Amino acid sequence: SQQGEEDPQALSIQEGENATMNCSYKTSINNLQWYRQNSGRGLVHLILIRSNEREKHSGRLRVTLDTSKKSSSLLITASRAADTASYFCATADRSGSARQLTFGSGTQLTVLP
Amino acid sequence: GAGVSQSPSNKVTEKGKDVELRCDPISGHTALYWYRQSLGQGLEFLIYFQGNSAPDKSGLPSDRFSAERTGGSVSTLTIQRTQQEDSAVYLCASSLRAGILGADTQYFGPGTRLTVL
Repeated sequence: SQQGEEDPQALSIQEGENATMNCSYKTSINNLQWYRQNSGRGLVHLILIRSNEREKHSGRLRVTLDTSKKSSSLLITASRAADTASYFCATADRSGSARQLTFGSGTQLTVLP
Repeated sequence: GAGVSQSPSNKVTEKGKDVELRCDPISGHTALYWYRQSLGQGLEFLIYFQGNSAPDKSGLPSDRFSAERTGGSVSTLTIQRTQQEDSAVYLCASSLRAGILGADTQYFGPGTRLTVL
């Protein structure tokens, strides 16, 4: 079953606005990653945040992690039409027994020009 | 090549036929993963290879699904006696090394869109 759950499922904003997507998970994690997917094809890795980190920045992206609430957020600032895509969070299990990532169902972001 | 490649990009088959999907990981990456993504859904883990270790097959939905990785590089996902519910995009990813901090970022291929009629 999918552990990470993104919220909202769909988000539509105007170009220039900020977009915030949230992810919740259930188990203890080693790290949490955000991926982007265009047109239902290959995923592109955006950013990884480790369980001992609280915030991380990469360009216009800002990711936060709250392990006490088992949640993460992805903020895209000054959005552009090219940011239109699906965004997925994925968790790496801390137990070490599962080496695969567990993906959520994604947030479909539409940035209107 | 520079990234993960998959072939074919699209495959249309008839119910009951067998299909083979191929993945070429990034050179030097020891870990390889297969995922399935149904329309509008997240990714569903299928199988994972790490070096010469026994693969983790815990995500395979039925015994009609199998995968192998020859020579620690190219992988083939085989679906026997395809069913309509097998229709999905099959994504392959590789990472330098699974489970090792800093080396476990997964790089995805473009996927194979499988349609079972």
